[in-house]
Amino acid sequence: KAGVTQTPRYLIKTRGQQVTLSCSPISGHRSVSWYQQTPGQGLQFLFEYFSETQRNKGNFPGRFSGRQFSNSRSEMNVSTLELGDSALYLCASSFSDRQGTQYFGPGTRLLVL
Amino acid sequence: GQQVMQIPQYQHVQEGEDFTTYCNSSTTLSNIQWYKQRPGGHPVFLIQLVKSGEVKKQKRLTFQFGEAKKNSSLHITATQTTDVGTYFCAGRGSGNTGKLIFGQGTTLQVKP
Repeated sequence: KAGVTQTPRYLIKTRGQQVTLSCSPISGHRSVSWYQQTPGQGLQFLFEYFSETQRNKGNFPGRFSGRQFSNSRSEMNVSTLELGDSALYLCASSFSDRQGTQYFGPGTRLLVL
Repeated sequence: GQQVMQIPQYQHVQEGEDFTTYCNSSTTLSNIQWYKQRPGGHPVFLIQLVKSGEVKKQKRLTFQFGEAKKNSSLHITATQTTDVGTYFCAGRGSGNTGKLIFGQGTTLQVKP
């Protein structure tokens, strides 16, 4: 099976802009979770979707939002970008709806200038 | 809210020495998972522990889940240069909607 894919792999934006990141899970996986990884904060949980419904949400401001489509593909949106949003954004898919084994994609590295 | 603390943050060892990373949760966990992230890569699942006091081995790696299901450890015997990377624990809270919370990771450097 193909692994989790994320697009784009790299992105440079300026403060105030918005960005949309995309994630395609492993075929058959219905759960998609998003994480932000920074050197100082480690892996921070953003949200989890299962069957198009948000199941869990981390402690991030409302500028961070996501959605999941009927084919399980997911998108994450960050509006009004801030310098501190520069990070590696990782998507992980899981077969079960209880954040079972997470299969991570390669990530999207976002740089906000 | 639920927090998962992991220590140490960094560890430098000589090849052949042992290595241990510890994970502690502020709340009881339903399960704990361990991941390894190589430099420049993404986290890769290693193992999941579910039962109180559970011990699992993978070759030179030994994983333990505490009796109270609030702590866990990963021990590597006789480290090799291929063990280099960051090891994360991830604890899932109890209940159907428990979140999977990652520890901050332990970065292991192995000197040949």
